[in-house]
Amino acid sequence: DQQVKQNSPSLSVQEGRISILNCDYTNSMFDYFLWYKKYPAEGPTFLISISSIKDKNEDGRFTVFLNKSAKHLSLHIVPSQPGDSAVYFCAARINNAGNMLTFGGGTRLMVKP
Amino acid sequence: DGGITQSPKYLFRKEGQNVTLSCEQNLNHDAMYWYRQDPGQGLRLIYYSQIVNDFQKGDIAEGYSVSREKKESFPLTVTSAQKNPTAFYLCASSITGDFYGYTFGSGTRLTVV
Repeated sequence: DQQVKQNSPSLSVQEGRISILNCDYTNSMFDYFLWYKKYPAEGPTFLISISSIKDKNEDGRFTVFLNKSAKHLSLHIVPSQPGDSAVYFCAARINNAGNMLTFGGGTRLMVKP
Repeated sequence: DGGITQSPKYLFRKEGQNVTLSCEQNLNHDAMYWYRQDPGQGLRLIYYSQIVNDFQKGDIAEGYSVSREKKESFPLTVTSAQKNPTAFYLCASSITGDFYGYTFGSGTRLTVV
């Protein structure tokens, strides 16, 4: 049973436009959410995170929104750049269960010049 | 520079052989993790260790073994009992206090020939 789901396996956007990557979760015990970016044959790198007590966190071109009632989070990239082309994973941590992360299946973002 | 190193980057194994993947970190992190990524899929947890000389099974531990004799090292052995070992293997580490996510290694691509 997948507790963290990224229902779009791929997304294609034009350079300069907004990219919106979505993530849904089922476990209400998740208290911290993260987005990772991964290039082929490399390890994921941390992008941005959000605590469950917030509904928005912003870092430069990247903004993560959390809707707890809908159990949904999204990553907005504005403006999108060709270098943003990668696979993006969302991940979630359960409160008081150590720092174990559950990952979604990933979304491949392609930004076209 | 602090980081987490996985070696080798590419590994070929004959069916029926055991093989050990190396993971070393100099970040002074207490916790270490092994994940597996298959094409088009997310990251699945194999084993994790929160402290030296202790480790726990993850979601897909069958056919794998680990050891944690030193804080810096968390090698993963893929045994002949693992039915489908060809995959991309990722090692990660984290602190066990205030959580800021995982630091990942660059991965090892294992191919069974």
